[in-house]
Formats: sequence, structure tokens, C-alpha cells
Amino acid sequence: DIQMTQSPSTLSASVGDRVTITCRASQSISSWLAWYQQKPGKAPKLLIYKASSLESGVPSRFSGSGSGTEFTLTISSLQPDDFATYYCQQYNSYLTFGGGTKVEIK
Amino acid sequence: QVQLQESGPGLVKPSETLSLTCTVSGYSISSGYYWGWIRQPPGKGLEWIGSIYHSGSTYYNPSLKSRVTISVDTSKNQFSLKLSSVTAADTAVYYCARVSVDTAMVPFDIWGQGTMVTVSS
Repeated sequence: DIQMTQSPSTLSASVGDRVTITCRASQSISSWLAWYQQKPGKAPKLLIYKASSLESGVPSRFSGSGSGTEFTLTISSLQPDDFATYYCQQYNSYLTFGGGTKVEIK
Repeated sequence: QVQLQESGPGLVKPSETLSLTCTVSGYSISSGYYWGWIRQPPGKGLEWIGSIYHSGSTYYNPSLKSRVTISVDTSKNQFSLKLSSVTAADTAVYYCARVSVDTAMVPFDIWGQGTMVTVSS
């Protein structure tokens, strides 16, 4: 099965910062990668699919890139509403999530 | 709009079977899409459990397959999860969700609010 590893596990940042989260797959998954945002006590929200396609309604400050085994989620200018935990998910073979990256206030 | 709501016991004894139902409103399950179950232990990450189509076609997480059964009742517009021989490690928030496009292994774009299930005697 395919393992997904996210880094860092926690990230401290300020409003306005550019933030980058990395997700690595244990084998190539082409571009079959999604990113979710989850806030405490809430269900995850789909942000990006197919590595770089923005889900409808998601602000353009979110972007994704990568293919094969290495992927990144970038928030160009962190907003107060963006403090949350982010998960990557591969869907090349079944479905596997990364361990999550918590973005906290610096 | 499409809404999903999980229901079922919040407490299950070790070695027993966990049973949850997801009721869908705003969309007929018979019209398509795969429907799935995902869980999240307290303070931990997400784990996909399995998915089902209205025809009954299923996909299960290989690590849970021996203990999982997902079924669908189109007449009630519901799908259900059964997880047998539970232990404390199965304590988690359980979410039901719908995939984003009408095929099996793709991201979930519509989620229920989640229901907490604790395994304890």
C-alpha cells in the first residue's frame, strides 16, 4: 500500500506569511493527490484535487503543485481563517491520507 | 443541497460490532456516485474505511477489510457501516462522505458532521 508523509507536522506562521506544506508518497502516484483543510470539531474540506486543481469556491491564495512522489500545498498570504490542519490524500491506489500539518499562529 | 448525517450508538463494547448509518438528503443515492466511510481517532489523522456504489459494488481498505461490511439501502437513501470485533483502537470520529465525481477512488467533497464512537466496557 502507498504511504503518505507530510512535513512539517506543525508550522507556526503569521497572518500574511507565505506557507508551504510538503507531502511525499512512498511510490509514484502521478497527479492523483488531493489536499483538505480541517478545523477543530469539523469535517475536512476539499481544497485541491489532481495535485493542482482548485476546488470550486476555494480562495485563489491556495495552490498545489507536484507530481510523482513529491507535492506541495502553498498558501500565498496566510489569512486568519487559514489556521487549521491540512491533510494530503492519494487516490492512485485506494485512498490514503497523510498524517496532517497543523498551521498555528506564531 | 446534498447533506449527509451519521447515526448510531456512541458506545460499543470491545469484541462487539460497531454499526453506523449515513442518511443522505438532497440527492438520491440511486442516481450515482460512490459513498464512503472515513474515521479519525482522537487527536490523530484520517483513515479511509471503504466505499460503496448504489449497485452494491464496494471497495475496502485492505487493512480493515476482514472486519468491515458496507451496505446500501436505496429505498431509505442510506448506506451503512459494520465493523466487527472492535477494540479500543477503533475509538474514533466516524464520517460518511460522497466522492467528488462519479467514480470510485477519488476525493470526497461532501461530508457529514461526524459521529464519535467510543469502544469501552
